[in-house]
Amino acid sequence: GQNIDQPTEMTATEGAIVQINCTYQTSGFNGLFWYQQHAGEAPTFLSYNVLDGLEEKGRFSSFLSRSKGYSYLLLKELQMKDSASYLCALNSGAGSYQLTFGKGTKLSVIP
Amino acid sequence: KAGVTQTPRYLIKTRGQQVTLSCSPISGHRSVSWYQQTPGQGLQFLFEYFSETQRNKGNFPGRFSGRQFSNSRSEMNVSTLELGDSALYLCASSLDFSGNEQFFGPGTRLTVL
Repeated sequence: GQNIDQPTEMTATEGAIVQINCTYQTSGFNGLFWYQQHAGEAPTFLSYNVLDGLEEKGRFSSFLSRSKGYSYLLLKELQMKDSASYLCALNSGAGSYQLTFGKGTKLSVIP
Repeated sequence: KAGVTQTPRYLIKTRGQQVTLSCSPISGHRSVSWYQQTPGQGLQFLFEYFSETQRNKGNFPGRFSGRQFSNSRSEMNVSTLELGDSALYLCASSLDFSGNEQFFGPGTRLTVL
């Protein structure tokens, strides 16, 4: 089976940098997704990491270390609209989707 | 380009009934995945279809089934509904896995009484 842990809640200040961690135990996976979900809305794709290392996309970056069973999402220059839940998910599918999600981290951005 | 659409948006059923939910992917997308979201269990993967074939299935009982049509539209069916099936059911589409990005629909909120 797969077990994914994320902090339940985090609070950060507008303009700051926040790192949301995701640790996992699994017998194997093909890649790791990060999704953003605003309250009452559907999730939206942020990133997909297959190889170890950092993937940067504007204000958002995602990092994966397979040997340490660890990933993080880094959000820079926080804006109020970044208040949302952030979900990490392991993908077991080979060239397809078979996701196992963490419970998500609810981020609150305060002025 | 129209997004992913799901119908109906809200549904109320009673225990023991069955329900069919529909998902129309973005035009040209051939992969459709279904998810269940509840406050207790979070977001859970149900199954993925590609070109009318189920490629992957999550850990759900056989009461949950689905299918995909030649136009990539997909339906999921839940038979013999239980109270615990009350959830938001989301579908997501993508061109294929190589695109990585799945686009989610607004979901169908199912309430089982």
